[in-house]
Amino acid sequence: KQEVTQIPAALSVPEGENLVLNCSFTDSAIYNLQWFRQDPGKGLTSLLLIQSSQREQTSGRLNASLDKSSGRSTLYIAASQPGDSATYLCAGGTASKLTFGTGTRLQVTL
Amino acid sequence: DAGVTQSPTHLIKTRGQQVTLRCSPISGHKSVSWYQQVLGQGPQFIFQYYEKEERGRGNFPDRFSARQFPNYSSELNVNALLLGDSALYLCASSLDWAINYGYTFGSGTRLTVV
Repeated sequence: KQEVTQIPAALSVPEGENLVLNCSFTDSAIYNLQWFRQDPGKGLTSLLLIQSSQREQTSGRLNASLDKSSGRSTLYIAASQPGDSATYLCAGGTASKLTFGTGTRLQVTL
Repeated sequence: DAGVTQSPTHLIKTRGQQVTLRCSPISGHKSVSWYQQVLGQGPQFIFQYYEKEERGRGNFPDRFSARQFPNYSSELNVNALLLGDSALYLCASSLDWAINYGYTFGSGTRLTVV
């Protein structure tokens, strides 16, 4: 059974800082790893999708890496902004479903 | 292009009642999945449908059922509602059932059972 863990559960940083969110998974037989953003009470917004054959993906200030052998993924956010405040969820894709972590709640302060 | 649309956005039901939630996938997407997100937790997989057939089912009781229509839209039905069914129900669509293309989620339906 796939289990996904995200550390830390919550994080508060001042504006402008670079930060790393961590995601670990127990089953390395994943098709892909997807990072999402969720604002309070809202749906999920896809940020980055890394296929199992890839090592990393980049979009703007975001960079996500995937190491299947160690069961880890990281999301790097450069030059954080108050608008980045949200919950960030990672999800491992196996068979026909996604298995989510419980998320990291990020607050970027002025 | 329209994204994944879900209706209604909010719903209040009484214990024991039945509820139907609706989802329209992105045009061209043939796979629809349903997830339940309880407050403070990550979404939990309920069902996946592809080409109108069930391709996966999560660990949910038989009170939960779903179907996919010829136009690829989908309905999630929950019977005999319990207080614990209160959650955000998310629909996601994908080009293919094998999730090689990633998922796009809708804004969800907030269900409150009283």
